[in-house]
Amino acid sequence: DGGITQSPKYLFRKEGQNVTLSCEQNLNHDAMYWYRQDPGQGLRLIYYSQIVNDFQKGDIAEGYSVSREKKESFPLTVTSAQKNPTAFYLCASSKGTGRTDTQYFGPGTRLTVL
Amino acid sequence: AQSVTQPDIHITVSEGASLELRCNYSYGATPYLFWYVQSPGQGLQLLLKYFSGDTLVQGIKGFEAEFKRSQSSFNLRKPSVHWSDAAEYFCAVGPFNQGGKLIFGQGTELSVKP
Repeated sequence: DGGITQSPKYLFRKEGQNVTLSCEQNLNHDAMYWYRQDPGQGLRLIYYSQIVNDFQKGDIAEGYSVSREKKESFPLTVTSAQKNPTAFYLCASSKGTGRTDTQYFGPGTRLTVL
Repeated sequence: AQSVTQPDIHITVSEGASLELRCNYSYGATPYLFWYVQSPGQGLQLLLKYFSGDTLVQGIKGFEAEFKRSQSSFNLRKPSVHWSDAAEYFCAVGPFNQGGKLIFGQGTELSVKP
């Protein structure tokens, strides 16, 4: 089955640690995205990548980093510089970034800072 | 600036009753509009989308939405709600030039009474 997988489902981090969230897709999509979800705030874009070896900052990129070495994979690192990282993180992908390209979402990773 | 507003944070309906979730957008050009549903602790599933053409759009799970340009609205409806429809619903507009970014509303949480 084609889809988007995210791991782990739950992640706990101590203050000062970097953690990496995994996102893999087998939909052969070119574009991938990371969103952050906080209660009552909808989703906000962290980073996006339109093609392998290229990525761009979204609205709330500070304290996060990404890489796109393979078409299928778009890992997100939450660094110690992110002041309030506790949130639900959603990865998405789309065939392209044209106006009719629909985004499909993974199941999410819930990150909690201890 | 582009924005999406979902005026109702939480709605409760009885099973079998009809449902309407409101969505208003602010966008200068013809919008592309989406409704997603999120079950607790899960990712987002696409319910339906509007790109152009017929302003009444049919989606999965018996949902439909109507695009009204004069009211800048894209309300989601279902004639008879089932207990399994209890979830959070997000309206979104896009994709925008920023790599296909979507702008999401704050979400409406739907509870279903037996």
